[in-house]
Amino acid sequence: GAGVSQSPSNKVTEKGKDVELRCDPISGHTALYWYRQSLGQGLEFLIYFQGNSAPDKSGLPSDRFSAERTGGSVSTLTIQRTQQEDSAVYLCASGLAGGGDTQYFGPGTRLTVL
Amino acid sequence: AQSVTQPDIHITVSEGASLELRCNYSYGATPYLFWYVQSPGQGLQLLLKYFSGDTLVQGIKGFEAEFKRSQSSFNLRKPSVHWSDAAEYFCAVDTGTASKLTFGTGTRLQVTL
Repeated sequence: GAGVSQSPSNKVTEKGKDVELRCDPISGHTALYWYRQSLGQGLEFLIYFQGNSAPDKSGLPSDRFSAERTGGSVSTLTIQRTQQEDSAVYLCASGLAGGGDTQYFGPGTRLTVL
Repeated sequence: AQSVTQPDIHITVSEGASLELRCNYSYGATPYLFWYVQSPGQGLQLLLKYFSGDTLVQGIKGFEAEFKRSQSSFNLRKPSVHWSDAAEYFCAVDTGTASKLTFGTGTRLQVTL
Protein backbone atom coordinates (compact mmCIF):
# COMPACT_ATOMS: atom_id res chain seq x y z
CA GLY A 1 0.00 0.00 0.00
CA ALA A 2 0.93 3.64 -0.21
CA GLY A 3 3.32 4.96 2.38
CA VAL A 4 3.59 8.38 3.94
CA SER A 5 4.00 11.08 1.33
CA GLN A 6 5.29 14.61 1.77
CA SER A 7 5.30 17.62 -0.47
CA PRO A 8 7.18 19.43 -1.72
CA SER A 9 10.30 17.30 -1.67
CA ASN A 10 12.44 20.41 -1.81
CA LYS A 11 11.63 24.00 -0.93
CA VAL A 12 13.90 27.00 -1.28
CA THR A 13 12.65 30.23 0.21
CA GLU A 14 13.92 33.62 1.20
CA LYS A 15 14.36 34.68 4.78
CA GLY A 16 11.19 36.20 6.13
CA LYS A 17 8.80 34.33 3.87
CA ASP A 18 6.18 31.85 5.10
CA VAL A 19 6.25 28.19 4.01
CA GLU A 20 3.79 25.31 4.20
CA LEU A 21 4.85 21.70 4.26
CA ARG A 22 2.33 18.93 3.64
CA CYS A 23 2.10 15.40 4.93
CA ASP A 24 -0.24 12.64 3.76
CA PRO A 25 -0.18 9.78 6.26
CA ILE A 26 -0.88 6.13 5.63
CA SER A 27 -4.60 5.62 5.32
CA GLY A 28 -6.16 4.65 8.63
CA HIS A 29 -3.29 5.88 10.77
CA THR A 30 -4.65 8.07 13.54
CA ALA A 31 -1.28 9.18 14.91
CA LEU A 32 0.86 11.68 12.99
CA TYR A 33 4.21 13.16 13.94
CA TRP A 34 6.50 15.86 12.65
CA TYR A 35 10.26 15.74 13.18
CA ARG A 36 13.09 17.96 12.05
CA GLN A 37 16.51 16.71 10.98
CA SER A 38 19.37 19.17 10.89
CA LEU A 39 23.13 18.87 10.98
CA GLY A 40 23.54 20.61 14.27
CA GLN A 41 20.58 19.16 16.16
CA GLY A 42 20.05 15.69 14.73
CA LEU A 43 16.50 14.32 14.68
CA GLU A 44 14.13 16.33 16.85
CA PHE A 45 10.47 15.80 17.63
CA LEU A 46 8.22 18.74 16.79
CA ILE A 47 4.56 17.80 17.28
CA TYR A 48 2.25 14.81 17.67
CA PHE A 49 -1.34 14.52 16.48
CA GLN A 50 -3.90 11.98 17.55
CA GLY A 51 -6.75 12.45 15.14
CA ASN A 52 -7.10 16.19 14.64
CA SER A 53 -5.88 17.08 18.11
CA ALA A 54 -2.29 17.83 19.06
CA PRO A 55 -1.75 16.61 22.63
CA ASP A 56 1.99 17.21 22.40
CA LYS A 57 3.38 20.35 20.79
CA SER A 58 6.40 20.48 23.05
CA GLY A 59 8.96 20.29 20.26
CA LEU A 60 7.85 23.31 18.26
CA PRO A 61 10.86 25.62 18.54
CA SER A 62 9.04 28.94 18.46
CA ASP A 63 5.66 30.53 17.86
CA ARG A 64 6.61 30.90 14.21
CA PHE A 65 5.93 27.18 13.86
CA SER A 66 2.40 25.81 13.76
CA ALA A 67 0.70 22.70 12.46
CA GLU A 68 -2.77 21.50 11.84
CA ARG A 69 -4.42 18.29 10.80
CA THR A 70 -7.79 18.05 9.13
CA GLY A 71 -10.17 15.15 8.68
CA GLY A 72 -7.83 12.97 10.68
CA SER A 73 -5.63 12.74 7.63
CA VAL A 74 -3.54 15.42 5.92
CA SER A 75 -1.34 17.63 8.04
CA THR A 76 0.30 20.94 7.25
CA LEU A 77 3.32 22.36 9.05
CA THR A 78 3.59 26.12 8.64
CA ILE A 79 6.67 28.17 9.35
CA GLN A 80 6.16 31.90 9.40
CA ARG A 81 8.88 34.49 8.81
CA THR A 82 11.43 31.82 8.04
CA GLN A 83 14.97 32.18 9.36
CA GLN A 84 18.16 30.58 8.11
CA GLU A 85 18.26 28.32 11.15
CA ASP A 86 14.99 26.78 9.97
CA SER A 87 16.88 25.11 7.12
CA ALA A 88 16.53 21.38 7.68
CA VAL A 89 14.77 18.26 6.49
CA TYR A 90 11.26 18.04 7.89
CA LEU A 91 10.07 14.48 8.32
CA CYS A 92 6.53 13.31 8.85
CA ALA A 93 5.58 9.94 10.30
CA SER A 94 2.32 8.18 10.97
CA GLY A 95 1.23 5.28 13.12
CA LEU A 96 -1.83 3.35 14.17
CA ALA A 97 -2.18 4.47 17.74
CA GLY A 98 0.73 6.39 19.24
CA GLY A 99 2.25 5.48 22.56
CA GLY A 100 4.94 3.05 21.53
CA ASP A 101 3.44 2.11 18.21
CA THR A 102 5.68 1.85 15.17
CA GLN A 103 6.08 5.10 13.26
CA TYR A 104 6.37 5.00 9.47
CA PHE A 105 8.28 7.86 7.96
CA GLY A 106 7.86 9.81 4.76
CA PRO A 107 10.76 10.87 2.54
CA GLY A 108 10.92 14.35 4.02
CA THR A 109 10.89 17.92 2.76
CA ARG A 110 14.24 19.62 2.47
CA LEU A 111 13.81 23.29 3.37
CA THR A 112 16.50 25.78 2.49
CA VAL A 113 16.17 29.35 3.70
CA LEU A 114 18.41 31.79 1.86
CA ALA B 1 13.80 12.70 30.37
CA GLN B 2 14.90 9.81 28.25
CA SER B 3 18.05 9.97 26.11
CA VAL B 4 19.83 7.79 23.59
CA THR B 5 23.55 7.51 22.99
CA GLN B 6 25.16 6.12 19.89
CA PRO B 7 28.86 6.38 20.68
CA ASP B 8 30.13 5.64 17.20
CA ILE B 9 29.65 8.47 14.73
CA HIS B 10 31.22 6.64 11.82
CA ILE B 11 32.09 2.97 11.27
CA THR B 12 33.81 1.37 8.31
CA VAL B 13 33.63 -2.38 7.68
CA SER B 14 34.59 -4.61 4.80
CA GLU B 15 31.88 -6.33 2.82
CA GLY B 16 31.25 -9.75 4.32
CA ALA B 17 32.49 -8.75 7.77
CA SER B 18 30.27 -8.73 10.82
CA LEU B 19 28.79 -5.54 12.21
CA GLU B 20 27.73 -4.29 15.61
CA LEU B 21 26.34 -0.80 16.16
CA ARG B 22 26.03 0.33 19.74
CA CYS B 23 23.08 2.00 21.38
CA ASN B 24 22.59 2.91 25.04
CA TYR B 25 19.53 4.56 26.49
CA SER B 26 18.69 6.34 29.68
CA TYR B 27 15.21 5.89 31.08
CA GLY B 28 13.78 4.77 34.40
CA ALA B 29 11.87 1.85 32.99
CA THR B 30 12.13 -0.29 29.89
CA PRO B 31 11.18 1.79 26.88
CA TYR B 32 10.12 0.69 23.45
CA LEU B 33 13.29 0.44 21.36
CA PHE B 34 13.75 0.89 17.63
CA TRP B 35 16.43 0.83 14.98
CA TYR B 36 15.89 2.81 11.79
CA VAL B 37 18.06 3.10 8.70
CA GLN B 38 18.32 6.12 6.43
CA SER B 39 19.87 5.97 2.98
CA PRO B 40 21.03 9.25 1.40
CA GLY B 41 18.09 11.45 0.46
CA GLN B 42 15.60 9.01 1.90
CA GLY B 43 13.32 8.88 4.88
CA LEU B 44 13.74 6.51 7.79
CA GLN B 45 13.01 2.82 7.35
CA LEU B 46 12.27 0.64 10.35
CA LEU B 47 14.71 -2.25 10.74
CA LEU B 48 13.35 -3.76 13.95
CA LYS B 49 11.75 -2.96 17.27
CA TYR B 50 11.61 -4.29 20.82
CA PHE B 51 8.48 -4.01 22.90
CA SER B 52 8.71 -6.90 25.34
CA GLY B 53 9.43 -10.60 25.53
CA ASP B 54 12.36 -12.23 23.80
CA THR B 55 15.36 -9.95 24.14
CA LEU B 56 16.82 -10.97 20.77
CA VAL B 57 14.84 -9.32 18.01
CA GLN B 58 15.02 -10.19 14.34
CA GLY B 59 14.50 -7.53 11.72
CA ILE B 60 14.59 -6.98 8.01
CA LYS B 61 17.65 -7.26 5.76
CA GLY B 62 19.28 -9.82 8.07
CA PHE B 63 19.66 -7.47 11.04
CA GLU B 64 19.09 -8.40 14.66
CA ALA B 65 19.34 -6.55 17.95
CA GLU B 66 19.67 -7.65 21.54
CA PHE B 67 18.11 -5.84 24.45
CA LYS B 68 20.22 -6.00 27.62
CA ARG B 69 18.39 -4.46 30.54
CA SER B 70 21.43 -4.59 32.84
CA GLN B 71 23.45 -2.53 30.40
CA SER B 72 20.60 -0.34 29.12
CA SER B 73 21.72 -1.30 25.65
CA PHE B 74 20.09 -2.29 22.39
CA ASN B 75 22.93 -3.07 20.00
CA LEU B 76 22.31 -3.82 16.33
CA ARG B 77 24.15 -6.66 14.64
CA LYS B 78 24.52 -8.27 11.27
CA PRO B 79 26.72 -11.32 10.65
CA SER B 80 27.77 -10.39 7.11
CA VAL B 81 27.52 -6.88 5.76
CA HIS B 82 26.62 -6.12 2.14
CA TRP B 83 27.72 -3.02 0.24
CA SER B 84 24.06 -1.95 0.08
CA ASP B 85 24.00 -1.67 3.87
CA ALA B 86 25.99 1.56 3.68
CA ALA B 87 23.70 4.15 5.25
CA GLU B 88 23.05 5.98 8.49
CA TYR B 89 21.56 4.04 11.37
CA PHE B 90 19.49 5.54 14.15
CA CYS B 91 18.53 4.04 17.47
CA ALA B 92 15.39 5.46 19.05
CA VAL B 93 13.29 5.06 22.17
CA ASP B 94 9.64 5.69 22.92
CA THR B 95 8.58 5.64 26.56
CA GLY B 96 5.05 4.73 25.58
CA THR B 97 3.58 7.67 27.40
CA ALA B 98 5.29 10.42 25.49
CA SER B 99 4.14 9.27 22.05
CA LYS B 100 7.27 10.53 20.41
CA LEU B 101 10.61 9.06 19.45
CA THR B 102 13.86 10.24 20.96
CA PHE B 103 16.69 9.51 18.58
CA GLY B 104 20.39 8.97 18.98
CA THR B 105 22.75 11.03 16.88
CA GLY B 106 23.18 8.22 14.37
CA THR B 107 26.03 6.04 13.14
CA ARG B 108 27.15 6.35 9.56
CA LEU B 109 28.19 3.00 8.13
CA GLN B 110 30.63 2.80 5.28
CA VAL B 111 31.22 -0.54 3.55
CA THR B 112 34.43 -1.17 1.65
CA LEU B 113 34.61 -3.72 -1.12
